[in-house]
Amino acid sequence: TQLLEQSPQFLSIQEGENLTVYCNSSSVFSSLQWYRQEPGEGPVLLVTVVTGGEVKKLKRLTFQFGDARKDSSLHITAAQPGDTGLYLCAGATSGTYKYIFGTGTRLKVLA
Amino acid sequence: EAGVVQSPRYKIIEKKQPVAFWCNPISGHNTLYWYRQNLGQGPELLIRYENEEAVDDSQLPKDRFSAERLKGVDSTLKIQPAELGDSAVYLCASSLDTVNTEAFFGQGTRLTVV
Repeated sequence: TQLLEQSPQFLSIQEGENLTVYCNSSSVFSSLQWYRQEPGEGPVLLVTVVTGGEVKKLKRLTFQFGDARKDSSLHITAAQPGDTGLYLCAGATSGTYKYIFGTGTRLKVLA
Repeated sequence: EAGVVQSPRYKIIEKKQPVAFWCNPISGHNTLYWYRQNLGQGPELLIRYENEEAVDDSQLPKDRFSAERLKGVDSTLKIQPAELGDSAVYLCASSLDTVNTEAFFGQGTRLTVV
């Protein structure tokens, strides 16, 4: 059973700080997605990465897919209170379109 | 455009009682997913439909859980009888199809079994 571990589990930072969260697995993924989930809401897709070494930017968010396609990172520059939420990665292995979600990183950005 | 609609938003039931959740996916989306999310964890897939066919129900506890997607649109997920450990948020999501994997999630139903 593939397992996606995210770290850290919890992160509390001040507004304006930078942060990086990680998503790691022993499995190789054909694609990996990042979601953000706010309390009382469903997850919202932020990005999908499919190529090893791929880097995608979404405003202040930078997503990187590891060269071996086993891991990924999300870097947030100058965090804002609106970035607060649960960040989830989800990976699908080759030949399937079944995404397995990671354990999540709960981020709180203090004003 | 309306998103994925789920009802009810909250449900509190006593153990051993039945409960049902309803989901209306985004119009035109052929793929529908039901997930369960325990507190502090990521969603876990229960079942995936392609139109009206359940193509992946390997994680659905079939002794007490059932689901249907009649006519390939709306879907219901039922638990009978509910157990204390079933307390969780039940999320429905839809995507255009299996290949277009951008999934849109509903707000979920928070189930509390007492």
